[in-house]
Amino acid sequence: GAGVSQSPSNKVTEKGKDVELRCDPISGHTALYWYRQSLGQGLEFLIYFQGNSAPDKSGLPSDRFSAERTGGSVSTLTIQRTQQEDSAVYLCASSRQGSQGASTDTQYFGPGTRLTVL
Amino acid sequence: AQKITQTQPGMFVQEKEAVTLDCTYDTSDPSYGLFWYKQPSSGEMIFLIYQGSYDQQNATEGRYSLNFQKARKSANLVISASQLGDSAMYFCAMRAYYKLSFGAGTTVTVRA
Repeated sequence: GAGVSQSPSNKVTEKGKDVELRCDPISGHTALYWYRQSLGQGLEFLIYFQGNSAPDKSGLPSDRFSAERTGGSVSTLTIQRTQQEDSAVYLCASSRQGSQGASTDTQYFGPGTRLTVL
Repeated sequence: AQKITQTQPGMFVQEKEAVTLDCTYDTSDPSYGLFWYKQPSSGEMIFLIYQGSYDQQNATEGRYSLNFQKARKSANLVISASQLGDSAMYFCAMRAYYKLSFGAGTTVTVRA
């Protein structure tokens, strides 16, 4: 079946502009996650959605970052007033059960969006 | 808080030989899952293998096996019969509740 898809694959923007990154999870997966991968920080958790529950936003680095998940499926990560330190690869993952599952619940990742802020 | 340590930034291995990638972890949670992911130059994170904290046997998936030593808090990945396509970055990760915490990764280069 289809895996996690993300768009765009690459995004170059100017400092101060807003950007939107999109994630389509695997069909039937109730949990969706965003991570960021940067040279200095490695892989960092950003946000987690589980069904209709309130998302866990504890990993968002600033209030310029927000995310939503519409209809329990597609998710959009928005970064407002982008800064050069936002340059990174943004990875989306989905899993079947999330927190309602056991530790066996495997997260499957998309190809990522490489964001470059000039 | 969970912490994952991968002490080998890079490794070279000859084609057809085995390679072991080290991973140690620290957690106070009694129930957790350990995962290994492969990230080729294309950037996608590919799930390789899983080990649960209560599993009695070491996990195996094809050429991948996980050497799980719970008392030492280590979960080393063994890749047998290395292939050129195994050249990639490998990440060890731990899941407690739902978040994944990742190690810094190990770059593996397979030589012909």
